[in-house]
Amino acid sequence: QKEVEQNSGPLSVPEGAIASLNCTYSDRGSQSFFWYRQYSGKSPELIMSIYSNGDKEDGRFTAQLNKASQYVSLLIRDSQPSDSATYLCAVNAEMNTGFQKLVFGTGTRLLVSP
Amino acid sequence: DTGVSQNPRHKITKRGQNVTFRCDPISEHNRLYWYRQTLGQGPEFLTYFQNEAQLEKSRLLSDRFSAERPKGSFSTLEIQRTEQGDSAMYLCASSRTSVTEQFFGPGTRLTVL
Repeated sequence: QKEVEQNSGPLSVPEGAIASLNCTYSDRGSQSFFWYRQYSGKSPELIMSIYSNGDKEDGRFTAQLNKASQYVSLLIRDSQPSDSATYLCAVNAEMNTGFQKLVFGTGTRLLVSP
Repeated sequence: DTGVSQNPRHKITKRGQNVTFRCDPISEHNRLYWYRQTLGQGPEFLTYFQNEAQLEKSRLLSDRFSAERPKGSFSTLEIQRTEQGDSAMYLCASSRTSVTEQFFGPGTRLTVL
């Protein structure tokens, strides 16, 4: 079982719609959760972090965390063509040494059509 | 620009050659990470520095790979005797602590012919 799972997509939504991106993780001890946006050929850009259950809103973005279900999601309201990118979910996981490393999913490709 | 910087941005080399990449983290971040990303995959953790100490290495980091962070500032990642399988984007990130946000540099895209 992969540590962080995401649907690879593509997820296609029309401009102005809400895009919903989902991620599940396997380590119940994970405490930190991140969403990164990655345009083709570019490096990941941090867009949201969430550490406690519930919703966290930042502009058009809302991150939702449910630790009991080991589920984290990202909602993008009023989607724009410029939101078209791959969205990476990242979760901290403790290694045997106690070090907390970030584990990434393979990403979900989002396509927003005008 | 106070973000993470990486050089070079692109490197093309022949199999068997050595390459070295540099990363300059955000100045107030004492934690620095190297990742490797191949097409269609998320970044995979390679190694971690806290100040000048290399505290963690992934099993992905074979003995052909070495990383340093002298004086706890910039870091270098060297790959010796490159192989075609080393072709990837090499990403550097930095953070304030090990559980808070990591910010990535633009990456170095390595192509091994």
